[in-house]
Amino acid sequence: DAKTTQPPSMDCAEGRAANLPCNHSTISGNEYVYWYRQIHSQGPQYIIHGLKNNETNEMASLIITEDRKSSTLILPHATLRDTAVYYCIVPRGRVQGGKLIFGQGTELSVKP
Amino acid sequence: EPEVTQTPSHQVTQMGQEVILRCVPISNHLYFYWYRQILGQKVEFLVSFYNNEISEKSEIFDDQFSVERPDGSNFTLKIRSTKLEDSAMYFCASGGQGYGELFFGEGSRLTVL
Repeated sequence: DAKTTQPPSMDCAEGRAANLPCNHSTISGNEYVYWYRQIHSQGPQYIIHGLKNNETNEMASLIITEDRKSSTLILPHATLRDTAVYYCIVPRGRVQGGKLIFGQGTELSVKP
Repeated sequence: EPEVTQTPSHQVTQMGQEVILRCVPISNHLYFYWYRQILGQKVEFLVSFYNNEISEKSEIFDDQFSVERPDGSNFTLKIRSTKLEDSAMYFCASGGQGYGELFFGEGSRLTVL
């Protein structure tokens, strides 16, 4: 997978937007950016993915810079249940039938 | 909402014993995976499986490990002779054709004594 860099931890106040950054400066033109999260020892949970356009779903928004070297995951109204480790992953090669490489991620703490 | 289910949720075994971890992937998915997470460490890829054969495996997935889809619904991970360092949470995942996302189960915690 292309190398990604994320801050090890972040805090966010409940109800506020959580903006989680990720650098992926070695990303290639056809590689997607994926975000997963892991809530305390549960299985990782898919959040969103994108190629170059911004994406939004019911969980989050993904903003990818024009040069694609970085992205930001936005949780618009963070709740206590969003406390988790968030992983930014850029798979090299196919996703289905291939592998995801999980790094250390960003530990997000949402505080009341 | 469909989900990946895993059994058992927790298994304790003696070193050297064989262990089988079971997974029921989402029914129309074609790609199946095992990952593991040693306590306090990263989630690590073990193996991916498609069309009844391994499509990719990691260095961790040595001859002690095997996977099988015995009946078209279950997907199993067998550890032939467990070692202390096999103690971990094992996650099964599945994915569908054309989908970019993987769906993970809640995990099976294996403790080797």
